[in-house]
Amino acid sequence: AQTVTQSQPEMSVQEAETVTLSCTYDTSESDYYLFWYKQPPSRQMILVIRQEAYKQQNATENRFSVNFQKAAKSFSLKISDSQLGDAAMYFCAYRSYTGNQFYFGTGTSLTVIP
Amino acid sequence: SAVISQKPSRDICQRGTSLTIQCQVDSQVTMMFWYRQQPGQSLTLIATANQGSEATYESGFVIDKFPISRPNLTFSTLTVSNMSPEDSSIYLCSVEKLGGGIYGYTFGSGTRLTVV
Repeated sequence: AQTVTQSQPEMSVQEAETVTLSCTYDTSESDYYLFWYKQPPSRQMILVIRQEAYKQQNATENRFSVNFQKAAKSFSLKISDSQLGDAAMYFCAYRSYTGNQFYFGTGTSLTVIP
Repeated sequence: SAVISQKPSRDICQRGTSLTIQCQVDSQVTMMFWYRQQPGQSLTLIATANQGSEATYESGFVIDKFPISRPNLTFSTLTVSNMSPEDSSIYLCSVEKLGGGIYGYTFGSGTRLTVV
C-alpha cells in the first residue's frame, strides 16, 4: 500500500511570512494525484490544492503553491503571506489514478503567530 | 462540489450501545466513503459504500462492528456497534461526485464520538 509521510508534527509561522510544509510518499505507480487538505478546529476537511502526477508544472492556488518532485516523491506545500485563518492541521494525501481511496499523512499542525 | 450534511455532529455514548451516523449529500454521488480519525491521528478509511451493493471494508474493519447502509445515491449511514472507549474518534464521510474526476471529493464536517 502507498504510504504518506509528514515529518513535521508542528510548525509555526509569523503572520505575513512564508512557511513550507513537507510531505513525502512511497508508491510504485506512475499516475496518481496528490492533495493538501486543511482541517481547522471545526473538523471540516477543506481541499487546499491538488496536483496530477503527470503534470510537471507545480499547482498554485492564490497564496498556496506546491513543489512537486516526482523522482524524489516529494510534495511540499508553501503558504505565502500567512494569515491567522491559515492556522489548522494540514494533511497531505495520495490517491491512485485508478483507485478511490485516499492515503493520508499524519498531519502537520500549523500555528500562525500574530 | 457537493455539500454534505453529517449528523450528529457530536455525541457521548455509553459503553455497549450503538450509534448511527448519517451522511446526506445535496446531489447524487457514485461512491461514499467512511473514515475514522482517532485522537491526534490521521484519517483511516473504514469502508466504501456503493448504492445497491454491499459496502467494501478495509482491513481491520468488519461489517458486524460498522454496518453501513446506502439506500440511495444521496444518503448513507454508518453504525458503530457495541461501542467501547476505543471507538472514541471523529467519523467522517466523504463523497465522489457522479461523473468521476478528482474535483468532486468532499468531506463532511465529522461526528465526534466519545464513549464512556
